[in-house]
Amino acid sequence: DAGITQSPRHKVTETGTPVTLRCHQTENHRYMYWYRQDPGHGLRLIHYSYGVKDTDKGEVSDGYSVSRSKTEDFLLTLESATSSQTSVYFCAISGGLATGELFFGEGSRLTVL
Amino acid sequence: DAKTTQPNSMESNEEEPVHLPCNHSTISGTDYIHWYRQLPSQGPEYVIHGLTSNVNNRMASLAIAEDRKSSTLILHRATLRDAAVYYCILRERGRGETSGSRLTFGEGTQLTVNP
Repeated sequence: DAGITQSPRHKVTETGTPVTLRCHQTENHRYMYWYRQDPGHGLRLIHYSYGVKDTDKGEVSDGYSVSRSKTEDFLLTLESATSSQTSVYFCAISGGLATGELFFGEGSRLTVL
Repeated sequence: DAKTTQPNSMESNEEEPVHLPCNHSTISGTDYIHWYRQLPSQGPEYVIHGLTSNVNNRMASLAIAEDRKSSTLILHRATLRDAAVYYCILRERGRGETSGSRLTFGEGTQLTVNP
């Protein structure tokens, strides 16, 4: 199994508070991704990174920011959480472009009250 | 990315083969066909991918139509552990290095396996 750890795995917070989710990998893979999963929407890409300090937006990036200061860590920040950001968040990693295989973490369930 | 169409749900019996269909009529010549599955309360996991030829691995087989407008994921002997949502996804080959392996997931097919 790919070495991907997400933390926290569960979090309950209140509207307006900042939240940071962490994704840590031990595979030294170049690419890292944050997805969210909601009923009726499948998985949607929030942001991704193609190297240290190199990030780009996905299809649902509004209200989220990311940072990647080292290869192994990719942080997802909700500056001011809203109830619409209640979701399950998945981190994924991939290596080279040859196969494109994504490896996913276990997910972080966030509830914003 | 080109769109795929899958049935919402399918049922199978344990130890029988399962054929999960996927239509992708707008596929381009540079699109790979990827399959992932998601077990309950887990992240998606890679199953198999192909471009033009049929592919086999330890988990499944992928049969690709000659015109590439459809494909079928084949589980040769379904087990209860194969109950999951199966996603058929197209990935464009030859993307630049800044694009990585971004995949667009649809709703997938919920596979139920009966004992």
